[in-house]
Amino acid sequence: EVQLVESGGGLVEPGGSPRLSCRASGFTFSIYSMNWVRQAPGKGLEWVSSISSSTDHIYYGDSVKGRFTISRDNAKSSLYLQMDNLRVEDTAVYYCVRDEYGGYGFEIWGQGTLVTVSS
Amino acid sequence: QSALTQPASVSGFPKQSITISCTGTSGDIGSYNSVSWYQQHPGKAPKLIISDVSNRPSGVSSRFSGSKSGNTASLTISGLRTEDEADYYCCSYTTKNTRVFGGGTKLTVL
Repeated sequence: EVQLVESGGGLVEPGGSPRLSCRASGFTFSIYSMNWVRQAPGKGLEWVSSISSSTDHIYYGDSVKGRFTISRDNAKSSLYLQMDNLRVEDTAVYYCVRDEYGGYGFEIWGQGTLVTVSS
Repeated sequence: QSALTQPASVSGFPKQSITISCTGTSGDIGSYNSVSWYQQHPGKAPKLIISDVSNRPSGVSSRFSGSKSGNTASLTISGLRTEDEADYYCCSYTTKNTRVFGGGTKLTVL
């Protein structure tokens, strides 16, 4: 079964630096581009970041650029999001998402992990 | 990058058809046929229902269809069913190699 499982969420103080992880299974992780997409409570979806299969192309949304870092370990079938200098407005469910092969549709979604930024 | 523009809500009766619009710019929808649509039920992760403007992934009902004209994409759901009641989001690739979502549309089946 194709699956993405996120971890690392929880309650964090403003300015904190948690690291989210996403473990992939059921497919050849190394050939797919991957993404993080977030959703604040009661709000819409927001694309956060993407990383190509070989890590040569990395992009960020304007709201997180300079604070978040996406990375991957193909040997471990894992995707990561290092979140630095967190703000209250970063509170959201963070989804790990696989791109379609050769395309830009967000084909496979994890169940999400909630990050709450509060003092 | 500004969000794509979707109506906040649409509604329809069972068996009817509805269309949700998604308006962007020449920097996103107008430049690529890389518009996708997602269905999200409460408390669930989104589900891809349309990719590349009009392609349906395997397993998605043929009642869902997509199109694009200029800077505006559209999702049409025909033969509305109660289970179609959900939030719907469009998304586009952009000229900056980023992605941008629409604000979402809440579909109510009356």
